[in-house]
Amino acid sequence: NAGVTQTPKFQVLKTGQSMTLQCAQDMNHEYMSWYRQDPGMGLRLIHYSVGAGITDQGEVPNGYNVSRSTTEDFPLRLLSAAPSQTSVYFCASSTDVGETQYFGPGTRLLVL
Amino acid sequence: SQQGEEDPQALSIQEGENATMNCSYKTSINNLQWYRQNSGRGLVHLILIRSNEREKHSGRLRVTLDTSKKSSSLLITASRAADTASYFCTSGTYKYIFGTGTRLKVLA
Repeated sequence: NAGVTQTPKFQVLKTGQSMTLQCAQDMNHEYMSWYRQDPGMGLRLIHYSVGAGITDQGEVPNGYNVSRSTTEDFPLRLLSAAPSQTSVYFCASSTDVGETQYFGPGTRLLVL
Repeated sequence: SQQGEEDPQALSIQEGENATMNCSYKTSINNLQWYRQNSGRGLVHLILIRSNEREKHSGRLRVTLDTSKKSSSLLITASRAADTASYFCTSGTYKYIFGTGTRLKVLA
């Protein structure tokens, strides 16, 4: 099992550009989530999904879109990048709501 | 949503000593989880303790849960330099909320 994979590992964007952060898991997990972590801070939940076709907003959803067309994939889209979105983004998955989460290695995003 | 707040914010100990960090939360929970994060990396799950459990062990880790006080503690015994990391607690159903963590530094 590869676990939770994220691509790219590092990305530089200019203000106003859009991009998609990829997340995939091969553990057949129903629950997937996206977090951002700013320096010295904890993780903040952006969006989550309890299964294919079902997504909902987390703590800080503005500026981000998600979709869940398959169980395996949960991409995060930045619509129009802003410097405030400079952060490290983590994707996680778990068998079900409230269970142990498995995290990907993260994507470092720099918005200039 | 649920929230975990860790205390202390930072802890520095000598190798071989025990490290204790605490977590408080605000509302009723089904379970509480502890995670470790090495610098710049993804979080790694340590222990999940359910609301009907009071104590749980995993190797050198011991977690307690006091639902009446809405608090939990993580004890790392005989700490090693490799335990240097940030430690987070969280609980949740649909929405997990993480605190800022406890930054543990173990000095060799």
